[in-house]
Parts: sequence; structure tokens; C-alpha cells
Amino acid sequence: GAVVSQHPSRVICKSGTSVKIECRSLDFQATTMFWYRQFPKQSLMLMATSNEGSKATYEQGVEKDKFLINHASLTLSTLTVTSAHPEDSSFYICSANPQVAGAQETQYFGPGTRLLVL
Amino acid sequence: AQKVTQAQTEISVVEKEDVTLDCVYETRDTTYYLFWYKQPPSGELVFLIRRNSFDEQNEISGRYSWNFQKSTSSFNFTITASQVVDSAVYFCAPLAGNTGNQFYFGTGTSLTVIP
Repeated sequence: GAVVSQHPSRVICKSGTSVKIECRSLDFQATTMFWYRQFPKQSLMLMATSNEGSKATYEQGVEKDKFLINHASLTLSTLTVTSAHPEDSSFYICSANPQVAGAQETQYFGPGTRLLVL
Repeated sequence: AQKVTQAQTEISVVEKEDVTLDCVYETRDTTYYLFWYKQPPSGELVFLIRRNSFDEQNEISGRYSWNFQKSTSSFNFTITASQVVDSAVYFCAPLAGNTGNQFYFGTGTSLTVIP
């Protein structure tokens, strides 16, 4: 099946620094990718929809200036947590849809990135 | 947007018991898809099933089976002869067929299988 990778798998950073998380579709092209955040023992919450070649669409309550999303190619979307604070510590997961017609409803999730901000 | 209710927050069963995870969804869409994902302790989401709203046949895959009742907007998931490796959080998620493909997950059900 289709594979989505994320890098890094885990990161620890100091408060105030910025962290970039990459999401790659390894064997398919994706015009749309999604970013989710999951706090411990909670569900996955959609943060934003990343669109290749255009601005991301953010869910209500998600600060676009804090969570910068760039979807520069059909296989790569990046999420940058700017000026990270301890409350940003979470599990970040991306997903992607293959561009192939008929497979639009199939989403493939990355393995996630655990962010710990000290 | 779709909404899903997984009323069972946590379930514990003894190994080899059968267990059913409930899922009730709400949607205004006439065409939609229903998914179940498994999230083991490692965190990675594992795709289990995708069901089209027009296909109301129940499905069985090994020890897994799904009961789709469109009349009651339920899509329940049963694990037969549970195993310790089934311990995970399970998410049911509806997806509209004519809008963006983003998921709005429910709270999930945490299943613990006791050896």
C-alpha cells in the first residue's frame, strides 16, 4: 500500500525555538495533505489542510502564524511550530490522499512525530 | 461536518473473549464513507476498513467483522477471540464523499485485552 513518512519521529526542543516536521508521500503524489495533533489520551484533532501550491486552510482555533504549513511539492508538506512552548508538546500526524482518481477517499497516515518542548 | 460518537471510552476484556466497539455517526451527506482505524501504543494509525454508505453488507475479515446499520447510523466493529495484540485505541470516522477528505475523529475507544 501507499506509504507516508514523517521526519523526525521524535524531537525535543527548548522553549522558544522553532521545529520543522516533514511529511512525505513516498510512492504517490498528493495535492492535499492533512495535519493532525493528538494530546495524550485524546483523539486526533485536525489542524489544517495543506494544499500544494496554495495556502493551507486552518481549522478554527489553530493559529496559522504559529503553525506554518508549506506544501511545496506533490510529495512533501512541512509543518513548522514557531516559538514552541511546552503546551505545544504533542503527537503530530500527517495524512495524504493519492492523486489517483477513485482513490480520493483513501487516506494514508504517517507514523507521527512526538514533540516535547522543555 | 460529520460527527461520530464512540460511547465506550475504555473497554477491558480477557483474552479470547469477543468484544464489540460501538460507533454512531451523524452526517447530512447522502454519500459518505465510514472508516475504522487502530492506533496501537506506537501511535501509528492502522487502516482497518472503509465502507461506502451505499454498501450495507456486513463484512468479515479474519477475526474482525463490521455491522453497518444505515437506519440507525451505526457502524459497529467486533473482534472475535480477542488477543493481547488487539490492545489499542480504535477510531471510527465518517468521511463525506463530496467535500474535503479531512477526518473529524471521535474520541476513540481504548481496548485493553488482558492475558
